[in-house]
Amino acid sequence: AQTVTQSQPEMSVQEAETVTLSCTYDTSESDYYLFWYKQPPSRQMILVIRQEAYKQQNATENRFSVNFQKAAKSFSLKISDSQLGDAAMYFCAYRRGVDKIIFGKGTRLHILP
Amino acid sequence: DAGVIQSPRHEVTEMGQEVTLRCKPISGHDYLFWYRQTMMRGLELLIYFNNNVPIDDSGMPEDRFSAKMPNASFSTLKIQPSEPRDSAVYFCASSLDRDGYTFGSGTRLTVV
Repeated sequence: AQTVTQSQPEMSVQEAETVTLSCTYDTSESDYYLFWYKQPPSRQMILVIRQEAYKQQNATENRFSVNFQKAAKSFSLKISDSQLGDAAMYFCAYRRGVDKIIFGKGTRLHILP
Repeated sequence: DAGVIQSPRHEVTEMGQEVTLRCKPISGHDYLFWYRQTMMRGLELLIYFNNNVPIDDSGMPEDRFSAKMPNASFSTLKIQPSEPRDSAVYFCASSLDRDGYTFGSGTRLTVV
């Protein structure tokens, strides 16, 4: 069965600095999708970034980028120039084709002013 | 598009009462998912539909839970009778094919 592991329950970063959140997953599939979702205190789940497994190029969305290592089954999220609004719970997620999305337990990110 | 719309946003009910949560997915999305979020168990998939047909309901905790999708623009999740351990945030999400989900704002359910 597929699993998603986020080994850092909580992290803190100074405002304007860079932080990397870790995620590993387990699958025997070759065609799948990986996501990072953000859940601020408002509880709204927001899609931050998406990566297709068949693409070697790492996805980037403004200050958010990923380091996708397919062989190592690793999918980390880098947030550059951290802002106070980035404080949230971040969930790594995996989807095999059109199947359901499997979420990790989340990493709570604190931004220190 | 208004996004995925869930109602109510908050629900407080007494143990034993019936609770109905509602969801309107994004127009054109062919997948609809119901998740439950608690501190202890994180995000759990309860059930999902494809083109209004239930595909996987293995996450529905017990017979007290039921979900329907009578048409492409509406789904309900019903709990009857409700119990205090059902207290959680319930999310509805929809997606088109292999895209990531778009989530609704969730319903915070409190059963007292």
